[in-house]
Amino acid sequence: AQTVTQSQPEMSVQEAETVTLSCTYDTSESDYYLFWYKQPPSRQMILVIRQEAYKQQNATENRFSVNFQKAAKSFSLKISDSQLGDAAMYFCAYLRGAGTYKYIFGTGTRLKVLA
Amino acid sequence: NAGVTQTPKFQVLKTGQSMTLQCAQDMNHEYMSWYRQDPGMGLRLIHYSVGAGITDQGEVPNGYNVSRSTTEDFPLRLLSAAPSQTSVYFCASSSRQITYSNQPQHFGDGTRLSIL
Repeated sequence: AQTVTQSQPEMSVQEAETVTLSCTYDTSESDYYLFWYKQPPSRQMILVIRQEAYKQQNATENRFSVNFQKAAKSFSLKISDSQLGDAAMYFCAYLRGAGTYKYIFGTGTRLKVLA
Repeated sequence: NAGVTQTPKFQVLKTGQSMTLQCAQDMNHEYMSWYRQDPGMGLRLIHYSVGAGITDQGEVPNGYNVSRSTTEDFPLRLLSAAPSQTSVYFCASSSRQITYSNQPQHFGDGTRLSIL
């Protein structure tokens, strides 16, 4: 069975600095997707970034980028120039291949941004 | 375009009471899911549906029932509420076209449910 592990329950970063959130996963599949979701205090689940396993290039979205290490089954999220609005819970999620729908979520990392 | 609409946003129940959490989506998505979110546990899948008339169990289905009579609606029923079901519940819908979708899974705003 696939699993997703986020080993950092809480992280802190100074405003304008860079922080990296860790995620590892376990799967025997070769076709899958990985996601990072942000959940602010409003409870909304907001997609931050996605990575297709078949793509070697790491995904980037403005200040957010990932370090996807397929062999190591690692999928970390880097937030550059951290802003107060980045404070939230961040969840790593796995989806096995296109045409499936059973997402597996990690337990989350709470990110605090210090002014 | 409302996306995924969950009602109610908050609910307090007594042990043994029943209730239905409503979920509706207007994006014609095939897939719909219910998750529960507990501190330190992330989101865990309760039940899911791949289309009208088809449902199946997720990771934590006990104590919950679902049905999918239409593409749009996917209600979650608690037949006899227990304190262990105190949680935040999220409904989500997904299109099959994950590869070409900017937003592969749409979430509702959640329902905070407390069982006394």
